[in-house]
Amino acid sequence: QVQLVESGGGVVQSGRSLRLSCEASKFTLNGHSMHWVRQAPGRALEWVAVISFDGSSQKYADSVKGRSTISRDNSKSTLYLQMNSLTTEDTAMYYCAREANRGYVNFDSWGPGTLVTVSS
Amino acid sequence: SYVLTQPPSVSVAPGQTARVTCGGNNVGNKHVHWYQQKPGQAPLLVVYDDRDRPSGIPERFSGSNSGNTATLTISRVEAGDEADYYCQVYDSSSSDPYVFGSGTKVTVL
Repeated sequence: QVQLVESGGGVVQSGRSLRLSCEASKFTLNGHSMHWVRQAPGRALEWVAVISFDGSSQKYADSVKGRSTISRDNSKSTLYLQMNSLTTEDTAMYYCAREANRGYVNFDSWGPGTLVTVSS
Repeated sequence: SYVLTQPPSVSVAPGQTARVTCGGNNVGNKHVHWYQQKPGQAPLLVVYDDRDRPSGIPERFSGSNSGNTATLTISRVEAGDEADYYCQVYDSSSSDPYVFGSGTKVTVL
């Protein structure tokens, strides 16, 4: 059974930085593109960033572009999201999600999430 | 950017059929995926590519997609189906290409 476990969330002051991690197990991480998706309290899912299977390309949502970096270390089976200049708008549960190799661009496995709370 | 519109809520009695719609411009030309999210849990893929089911998902969950509307159909609804449901597509022409719908709360009466 695929496992994804996020960590690194917490309470952080506005303007500070945070690095989230997602440890993958029970599957070969370097066989998949990986994503971060977030969900503000009571709100819909919002895609944040994607990184290709080998880390050679990344793409970001406009809401985080320029202040976030997605990266991966396949040797450690770990995905990362570095977030800088945080604002209260970044308060959300952050999920890492695996892009499926079956079907057209969908997310077939998700971690339980890590909560980021940005205080003003 | 591409927008997917869902009704905020759908109510259904146990044993009946629930239909959740997902509207978008020519969404019938895209591959639509559906996720179930129960309170305090991560999303779960229940339908991908309009109508296919991942292993372990009951046949009661089905999907269709045509024109400007995709639909998730839950047959013989059970209490355990009560959850939020999100549709999702990939729109290569958008700056944010991985698009989620606004979500629909399915309530089992």
